[in-house]
Amino acid sequence: RKEVEQDPGPFNVPEGATVAFNCTYSNSASQSFFWYRQDCRKEPKLLMSVYSSGNEDGRFTAQLNRASQYISLLIRDSKLSDSATYLCVVNMGGSYIPTFGRGTSLIVHP
Amino acid sequence: GAVVSQHPSRVICKSGTSVKIECRSLDFQATTMFWYRQFPKQSLMLMATSNEGSKATYEQGVEKDKFLINHASLTLSTLTVTSAHPEDSSFYICSASHRDYNEQFFGPGTRLTVL
Repeated sequence: RKEVEQDPGPFNVPEGATVAFNCTYSNSASQSFFWYRQDCRKEPKLLMSVYSSGNEDGRFTAQLNRASQYISLLIRDSKLSDSATYLCVVNMGGSYIPTFGRGTSLIVHP
Repeated sequence: GAVVSQHPSRVICKSGTSVKIECRSLDFQATTMFWYRQFPKQSLMLMATSNEGSKATYEQGVEKDKFLINHASLTLSTLTVTSAHPEDSSFYICSASHRDYNEQFFGPGTRLTVL
């Protein structure tokens, strides 16, 4: 089993749709969780950290479920510019060596 | 967020040559730098982790004699791909972090094409 797993997609949705991605992780001792966004042929950029209580940033909501060992990202009112690959990142243990999921591709069409 | 630069952004070279990629943290001191490789439509693969002033820790399957990493200062790390071959063609990305920050800052990446 991979340490961090994501559905690669692609998720193909119309503008205005709500879309959700899940990411599961295998190490129950994981401490930090993030969602990154990567555009084609570009470097990943931090979208948001994921906190135990859940957190929201505009149209984006991230949640953490430690019992089931998954994190989620919800995007409301999708925009064309949201088209990208969304990477789940988990920090395993005390040393900061993050593990990336393979990413979920999102395509928002008119 | 903090700024990390990489140079060059793109390089095309002949098989057998060596290529050096620089990664610089411009506005903070990076206690740790990471080097990743990403093949088309695949996830980022961590190659190695380097702490300033010490030897890099390589991931399993990454040849340390082929991918030479130097982290001589808190703002600069270099990756040298020695005797590059076409199968080394990839997108190489560095990232930097500081022990006080719970975030990585990525460089823009270097696209290597070996003919």
